Amino acid sequence: SQQGEEDPQALSIQGGENATMNCSYKTSINNLQWYRQNSGRGLVHLILIRSNEREKHSGRLRVTLDTSKKSSSLLITASRAADTASYFCATDGYGGSQGNLIFGKGTKLSVKP
Amino acid sequence: NAGVTQTPKFQVLKTGQSMTLQCAQDMNHNSMYWYRQDPGMGLRLIYYSASEGTTDKGEVPNGYNVSRLNKREFSLRLESAAPSQTSVYFCASSRTGGPGETQYFGPGTRLLVL
Repeated sequence: SQQGEEDPQALSIQGGENATMNCSYKTSINNLQWYRQNSGRGLVHLILIRSNEREKHSGRLRVTLDTSKKSSSLLITASRAADTASYFCATDGYGGSQGNLIFGKGTKLSVKP
Repeated sequence: NAGVTQTPKFQVLKTGQSMTLQCAQDMNHNSMYWYRQDPGMGLRLIYYSASEGTTDKGEVPNGYNVSRLNKREFSLRLESAAPSQTSVYFCASSRTGGPGETQYFGPGTRLLVL
């Protein structure tokens, strides 16, 4: 069953604005990752945040993690049309399959030029 | 490096037909995965192979079989396709299958079962 739930399901913004997507999960985690999927393509890894980290940056991406609330957010600053894609959070699997990822349903981001 | 490749890109099957989806990676990764993605859903794990010679069921294995042919190749077989198996199938790989590792995805195979 799916672990993460992204919110909102869809987001439409103007280029230059910031985009914030949220992910909530159900069980304790060691790591949380964010992936991007362009239309008709496979997923591409964006960033990983570990359970002992609260915030992480990579270029225009900022990820936060609140383990007490079991939630994470992905912020894309100064968005561009090229950021149009679906964004998924993924958490580690359980027990002996901790290398497996459990994906949320994704947020579909549309950035208008 | 090509990364993860998948064949075919598109396939139309009739109910009851069989087919094999092929996946290969050239990154010398130990672990490989098969997912399916349905509209409005995230990816769901069908089968995975933690290392050459091993395979295990994921969340939705029914109706599928897999073969880890060698370290590079991991195939997914539908023995008797059903309309419920209409989906986009993604293969992925990771270096060792450990927690927190990046998974690298192929471009996907779009399958329509009539």
